[in-house]
Amino acid sequence: NAGVTQTPKFQVLKTGQSMTLQCAQDMNHEYMSWYRQDPGMGLRLIHYSVGAGITDQGEVPNGYNVSRSTTEDFPLRLLSAAPSQTSVYFCASSYGRGVPLHFGNGTRLTVT
Amino acid sequence: AQSVTQLDSQVPVFEEAPVELRCNYSSSVSVYLFWYVQYPNQGLQLLLKYLSGSTLVESINGFEAEFNKSQTSFHLRKPSVHISDTAEYFCAVRLNRDDKIIFGKGTRLHILP
Repeated sequence: NAGVTQTPKFQVLKTGQSMTLQCAQDMNHEYMSWYRQDPGMGLRLIHYSVGAGITDQGEVPNGYNVSRSTTEDFPLRLLSAAPSQTSVYFCASSYGRGVPLHFGNGTRLTVT
Repeated sequence: AQSVTQLDSQVPVFEEAPVELRCNYSSSVSVYLFWYVQYPNQGLQLLLKYLSGSTLVESINGFEAEFNKSQTSFHLRKPSVHISDTAEYFCAVRLNRDDKIIFGKGTRLHILP
């Protein structure tokens, strides 16, 4: 069991570039989510999914897209990166509503 | 909208002293409550959870939290902290009818020698 795997671990982008942060889990979890962590702001929910083909917006969805074509994968897309998107991004999954989240190790993104 | 408030951004405490990290949430419906811990340069790990039943929940490393419905609080306590408890602690809430898990801004626990 690898758990929740995020790639890449580090990424530097220039303003306007696009990229996809990858997230995969091998625990057959229905629920997956993306958070960003910024100093003094805690974790803020970007997007989440309750199953393949179903996604919804969180607290800070602007500038990000997601899709969920399989149970295992939940990629996060930045279509046109901005310096305000410099952050550490965490993917997390869980089996059900009362079950705690399993977190990946994070992706540190810098946009210059 | 649901929200989570952690009133203290930093809490300094001497080693072997007790500590309380405060967490309040805003919701009129029943909730699931969690405390996560993030050690330096690591991801988040579950510390303890309240789903239902006994309002006092405990972790394996000596932390405990008490769900207080009337005060909408879920404060985290430890009677005697150790230097290894140095970390950032996050409170999180999930409505039992919703799918979003919302986190507080976190509290940094500094253990003083």
